[in-house]
Parts: sequence; structure tokens; C-alpha cells
Amino acid sequence: TQLLEQSPQFLSIQEGENLTVYCNSSSVFSSLQWYRQEPGEGPVLLVTVVTGGEVKKLKRLTFQFGDARKDSSLHITAAQPGDTGLYLCAGRSGGYALNFGKGTSLLVTP
Amino acid sequence: NAGVTQTPKFQVLKTGQSMTLQCAQDMNHEYMSWYRQDPGMGLRLIHYSVGAGITDQGEVPNGYNVSRSTTEDFPLRLLSAAPSQTSVYFCASGRANTEAFFGQGTRLTVV
Repeated sequence: TQLLEQSPQFLSIQEGENLTVYCNSSSVFSSLQWYRQEPGEGPVLLVTVVTGGEVKKLKRLTFQFGDARKDSSLHITAAQPGDTGLYLCAGRSGGYALNFGKGTSLLVTP
Repeated sequence: NAGVTQTPKFQVLKTGQSMTLQCAQDMNHEYMSWYRQDPGMGLRLIHYSVGAGITDQGEVPNGYNVSRSTTEDFPLRLLSAAPSQTSVYFCASGRANTEAFFGQGTRLTVV
């Protein structure tokens, strides 16, 4: 069951542009995580948010958890080619199962 | 510090064969899990374990078995491989039920 919808599915931008990726659900999550995955590799955890309204920053990446804990966003400022990858959000709504979105594939060209 | 190690990296099986995908972590994490990743489907949880001797089913457990005899190891067994099990398999580990670290994956093809 896919409880998390990510948008957009694909994003192609030029170096220096800003972008936002969205992760939405009708379910309330106790925690939500963002990962980046590069081709041929496993996902790498970027951040975990647990409190409604929480904002976390990781260099040029800003993560926000919605007040109702049903949605989240990832904003990248001044994107660089090294940001290219598949961005995945994942959340727990109860129990141990982590539900993943299908991901946003980002391509940043020089 | 090896993190999460999966073996093999690639495998081709014939329909009906059985095999075990290995997963080991050296971070003393209580929580370990197995996912499969398919195009258009995202990552789906197969089985997970919250500690040695404790396992439970995830979203897509049929055709797979797991055991957790030690904290470090969490092997995934395919009982009788089917073409529908062609996928990329990832093992993950973490504390407090968090998939903090993923392995590099096992790419399995069943013909």
C-alpha cells in the first residue's frame, strides 16, 4: 500500500536553480524520513523529522514536516550537479512498517 | 567500519531454485529489515526484525523467509524462486526502528 505521494516524479533543472519536492499523504505519520539514492546504490538517510511544523536544514537542503504530520517538503537552494539522484520520502503511521513514496528523480545539469 | 554488507551483489536464478541473500551489519543495531525495489513500485518492506530471535512480516512477505539468530546477521531466503521475484533487494539497519543505513543491494534475476 502506497500511502505517500511524491511530486513531481521527474525534475530536470540547471545548476543554480531552486527546487521543491513534495511528499503528501492522507495518513498521519509519527516520523518521516528523506533519503537520496544514486544509481546502483542503496538509499542514504538525509534527515528524520518527528514534530509537526519542524524545519531542519542540511547545508542547502531544507526539510519541513507539516503541522498535521501528513506531509513534508524538501527545498534545495542553488542546486548543484552533485544533488542529482532519486529523492525518497518514507513515513511510519503505526507499528514498524516504513512506507516509501515512489520518489522524485532529480537531474541537475551544469 | 563496514556498515551494512549485502552479498551477493548480483545473482541469476532459475525458476524453482532456492537461495539466501546475506545481510550483515557491524553497528550493533537492533532493528534490521529487507526491502525490494521495483520500477514504478518504490521500496516495499518484505520482513523486519526488532532484535535477535524476533521477526515479523512486512507488506510483501510471500515467498520469503527470514531468521535472526544474531544481532549482526539477517539473511533472506527465497524458498522457490519465481520470475515475479526479479528485483533489487535492500537490507537496512538502525536503532529505534529507523532504517538509518542501507546496504548496496542485491540485483536478482529469476529466469
